[in-house]
Parts: sequence; structure tokens; C-alpha cells
Amino acid sequence: GAVVSQHPSWVICKSGTSVKIECRSLDFQATTMFWYRQFPKQSLMLMATSNEGSKATYEQGVEKDKFLINHASLTLSTLTVTSAHPEDSSFYICSAREWPGLAGSTDTQYFGPGTRLTVL
Amino acid sequence: QKEVEQNSGPLSVPEGAIASLNCTYSDRGSQSFFWYRQYSGKSPELIMFIYSNGDKEDGRFTAQLNKASQYVSLLIRDSQPSDSATYLCAVNIATSGTYKYIFGTGTRLKVLA
Repeated sequence: GAVVSQHPSWVICKSGTSVKIECRSLDFQATTMFWYRQFPKQSLMLMATSNEGSKATYEQGVEKDKFLINHASLTLSTLTVTSAHPEDSSFYICSAREWPGLAGSTDTQYFGPGTRLTVL
Repeated sequence: QKEVEQNSGPLSVPEGAIASLNCTYSDRGSQSFFWYRQYSGKSPELIMFIYSNGDKEDGRFTAQLNKASQYVSLLIRDSQPSDSATYLCAVNIATSGTYKYIFGTGTRLKVLA
């Protein structure tokens, strides 16, 4: 159980185009999903917290007009990188918070496999 | 002060030894603590979670939590080369109605065959 999928797993696009990344919780409902970015050899950086049916909460320094997040259902959140530029090239990872959790947990976060974005 | 601190390593241990990974956190209100393993180029996978002071064992892994000292650790017994990865400590933070996880920078573990 507690499987999170992401699509696509990798994408290459031209500078100035927009890219949409989907994050789905496959076997549980996720009222909260998180979007992270990870540059090579660096740790996860939280970009935003996405709550179903409400606006996302962005971390300081993350442009909400550039990184559009939609969490329209309990199993799907999307991140759209608008007008992508080479500096947006990174590994984007979503996670879903399982609440209440399985296996005796009360709160657990499960990650999707990530999307590697390369902007040319 | 960083909210979650880990030694970046690399921590090298011989195969079969015990690997000890440490993490400190700054928010005394944190209630949930997690250890994730991340292989190069992959996303993190959950190893263990712990909420109560003391030890929690799961197979070769033992998580230890000391809230008074704001310290959480992960012990890996009988370390295997396949355990070589970056281990991320995560702590939940709930402030002003928001809820999120803060990750440490990770400790790179190398298990030498």
C-alpha cells in the first residue's frame, strides 16, 4: 500500500515552454501533497504544500506564478512549470501525506519516483 | 541554526558492522520523526518513523528518539553494501495551521565489502 506515482518520469523541453507534472496517490487518499525540488548532490527543498480544494502554500523564495500547483482531488496534484528556463532543470519530487496512516502510523509521507526536468 | 541537522559524511563502515546515523532538530514541538533512504538519482523511500521516546526496531533497523535532547538516530545492523545510500532525517513541523516536513541534508553512508 501507500504508493505514489508521478508522470512523466523525465521530460526535456525547450526554454520558454510549460511543463506539467502529475502526482497521484494510488491506494490512499491524500489531503495534503508536497512538492520538492532537488538539485544534484543537494538535499530536498520543499517548494510548496498542496491541500485538496484550496490554494497551495508556497515556501519563501518560490514563485507561485511560475510554479502552478493544482490539487483538485484527493488523489491528484499537478505542478506546472511555466515558461521554463535552464535554471529550472532539476529533479522534482512529489509526496503525499497519508492521514491517518497505515501500519500503526498516525502520519506518514510517501514519495513519488520523481520527475527529471531538463530545459534546453 | 538549521532546523534539522545531519552530518553529511560520508560515513564508511565495513560490511557486517553497525552503522550509526544521527540527527538533531530545533523545534521542540515536533512530534513525528522519519528516516528515509535515497539512492542516487532516485526519490526517497521511507525506512522508519518514530513518535515516542525510546527505541523502535524493524528488522536490521533501529530508530532511537530522545525528545529532551532533540535527537533522533538510526542504527543499521549487519550493514550490507546495498545499504550504501544517503539517509535523510525528517521532522514534522506544525505552525500557524500549516503542516510540513523539514528534511536534513542527509548523511551519505558507504558500506565497504
